[in-house]
Amino acid sequence: NAGVTQTPKFRILKIGQSMTLQCTQDMNHNYMYWYRQDPGMGLKLIYYSVGAGITDKGEVPNGYNVSRSTTEDFPLRLELAAPSQTSVYFCASSYSRLAGEQETQYFGPGTRLLVL
Amino acid sequence: AQSVTQPDIHITVSEGASLELRCNYSYGATPYLFWYVQSPGQGLQLLLKYFSGDTLVQGIKGFEAEFKRSQSSFNLRKPSVHWSDAAEYFCAVGGSSNTGKLIFGQGTTLQVKP
Repeated sequence: NAGVTQTPKFRILKIGQSMTLQCTQDMNHNYMYWYRQDPGMGLKLIYYSVGAGITDKGEVPNGYNVSRSTTEDFPLRLELAAPSQTSVYFCASSYSRLAGEQETQYFGPGTRLLVL
Repeated sequence: AQSVTQPDIHITVSEGASLELRCNYSYGATPYLFWYVQSPGQGLQLLLKYFSGDTLVQGIKGFEAEFKRSQSSFNLRKPSVHWSDAAEYFCAVGGSSNTGKLIFGQGTTLQVKP
């Protein structure tokens, strides 16, 4: 198992450009998450999904969009890149059989994004 | 509101010394508690977790943590630190929702002196 994979590892964007951060997991996890990590701020949840076709906003969703057409993939879209979106982005996944069951999240290696 | 506080932003210990990283949480229901470690340039790796039962939990790499409900704390400990333990450590809390969402603390950076 590769676990959670993310591409690209690093990207530089100009202000106003758009891009998609890819995330794939091969563990058949139903839950998936996108976080951003800024120095001294911990991880902030951007969007999450509890299953294919279901997504919802997290703590900091503005400027981002997601989709979940398959169990495996959970891409994060930046439409108009801004310097405030310079960050490290982590995708994570977990498996819950029952509603209300909190399971371990497994993280990808991250994508470092610089917006200039 | 749910929150996690890691009071120490940066800690330096000598190799071989004991370590304790503090974590305090605010959560209205029974918490699920996690400690993750992040090495430079890497993703997060689970060290240990507490769901229920014995309040002293053992994790990987010789780490342990103790859940103290009365103090709303889940401190991470290691009796003897190795240079390879230098990393950033995150405490996180989740609960009995149907989303699996976690709330993370701001992290503690551990530096190990030779």
